Amino acid sequence: DQQVKQNSPSLSVQEGRISILNCDYTNSMFDYFLWYKKYPAEGPTFLISISSIKDKNEDGRFTVFLNKSAKHLSLHIVPSQPGDSAVYFCAASAISGFQKLVFGTGTRLLVSP
Amino acid sequence: DVKVTQSSRYLVKRTGEKVFLECVQDMDHENMFWYRQDPGLGLRLIYFSYDVKMKEKGDIPEGYSVSREKKERFSLILESASTNQTSMYLCASSPLDQQETQYFGPGTRLLVL
Repeated sequence: DQQVKQNSPSLSVQEGRISILNCDYTNSMFDYFLWYKKYPAEGPTFLISISSIKDKNEDGRFTVFLNKSAKHLSLHIVPSQPGDSAVYFCAASAISGFQKLVFGTGTRLLVSP
Repeated sequence: DVKVTQSSRYLVKRTGEKVFLECVQDMDHENMFWYRQDPGLGLRLIYFSYDVKMKEKGDIPEGYSVSREKKERFSLILESASTNQTSMYLCASSPLDQQETQYFGPGTRLLVL
C-alpha cells in the first residue's frame, strides 16, 4: 500500500508562474515531511521540510503547506524558473520509524521559458 | 559539502551473477540507506544501517543483503541477480542529529540480462 501518494505524475508550468505540487499521506503517525528534488543522472537533494507542529514553512521561492486534518501537503514554487525542472518527491517519517523515510512516487515538473 | 559516492554509475550483469554495489560517504554519518527507484513506484527502502555492523530491513529486502564493516562504507549485495532487480539504486546517508535529511549518491543504474 502506498502510504505517500503523489497523484500527478507530471506538471507543466510557464516561467514566472506558480508551481503547486501535491502530496497525500495515509499514515497518521507521520510527523515530519520533506520534499526532495531530483535532476536526471543525479541523486535526490533535500529541498524543504515541515514538522507536524507547523502548517507552513517558507524558504525563498519554496513554501510547503501542511494540512494535517486532510493528510495533505503541497509545495509551492513562486516564481517558477526553468532550472526548477526536475522530479520532486515528497517523503514522510514517523517518530517510531527510526528515521525511515517513506517516499511518494514523484512528480515531474517542467518549467518552460 | 557532504559527498556520497557510489562505485559505478552503470552496471550490466547476467541473471544469477552476484552483484556488489558500493557506497562511501565522507561526512562521518551514522546512518546509511539503500533505495531502489522504479518508474511509478518512487524510492523504496531496501536496507538501512545506523551503526557499523548493524543492519535493518527496509520495505523490500528480499533478494538483497548488506554489509557495513566500516562507518563510511555500506555495500548492497545481490546474491543471485534476477531481471526484476533491474533498477536505479540509490545510496544515502544522514547524521544522527539530522536524521530525516538524507544525502544521496548519484545512483547506480543496474541492468540484469
